[in-house]
Amino acid sequence: DTGVSQNPRHKITKRGQNVTFRCDPISEHNRLYWYRQTLGQGPEFLTYFQNEAQLEKSRLLSDRFSAERPKGSFSTLEIQRTEQGDSAMYLCASSVRQGNTEAFFGQGTRLTVV
Amino acid sequence: AQSVTQLGSHVSVSEGALVLLRCNYSSSVPPYLFWYVQYPNQGLQLLLKYTSAATLVKGINGFEAEFKKSETSFHLTKPSAHMSDAAEYFCAVSSNFGNEKLTFGTGTRLTIIP
Repeated sequence: DTGVSQNPRHKITKRGQNVTFRCDPISEHNRLYWYRQTLGQGPEFLTYFQNEAQLEKSRLLSDRFSAERPKGSFSTLEIQRTEQGDSAMYLCASSVRQGNTEAFFGQGTRLTVV
Repeated sequence: AQSVTQLGSHVSVSEGALVLLRCNYSSSVPPYLFWYVQYPNQGLQLLLKYTSAATLVKGINGFEAEFKKSETSFHLTKPSAHMSDAAEYFCAVSSNFGNEKLTFGTGTRLTIIP
């Protein structure tokens, strides 16, 4: 399977701990997006990269959140000092820059902060 | 700014009956519109997309949607519901096909009654 891969699928952490999620996009895709989805809501945009450059960040991305894509391939999303309000599904998607292609989504990482 | 409104957070239809899920959008630029489906604990799968080529768009699994600029609508339909259609459906809008962030609606949970 060469789709978007996210790890881990599930993460339970105690409030105040740091967590890191990984996303491996489809290999030829140079754009990578992070979204957050809370229960009963649609996904909300967090940030996106074109290759290794982070081109846009949502105001939802507080200073406790940081995302990287160091070599333009996989990406990590780190949350520092987690809060219960961070509990959500974190979705990653990838696409190519040119051409009429849509974004392909991974299966997500479900974070529970206890 | 762009936004999407999905009318009806829950819709129930009998197996074999017509499925109609409503989506209205707001966009200051010509929109690109999408319908995604999400099964429990899964990522999002693209059902269909509107790219200004044709107002009636056919997608996977027998779904289709019609873009109506005058009504700012992009409703999703399927002539005959199947049990496997039970899922959450999201309408989304972007300003550039597949290469910019998506703004999602809050979703509609579709239940199929046997």
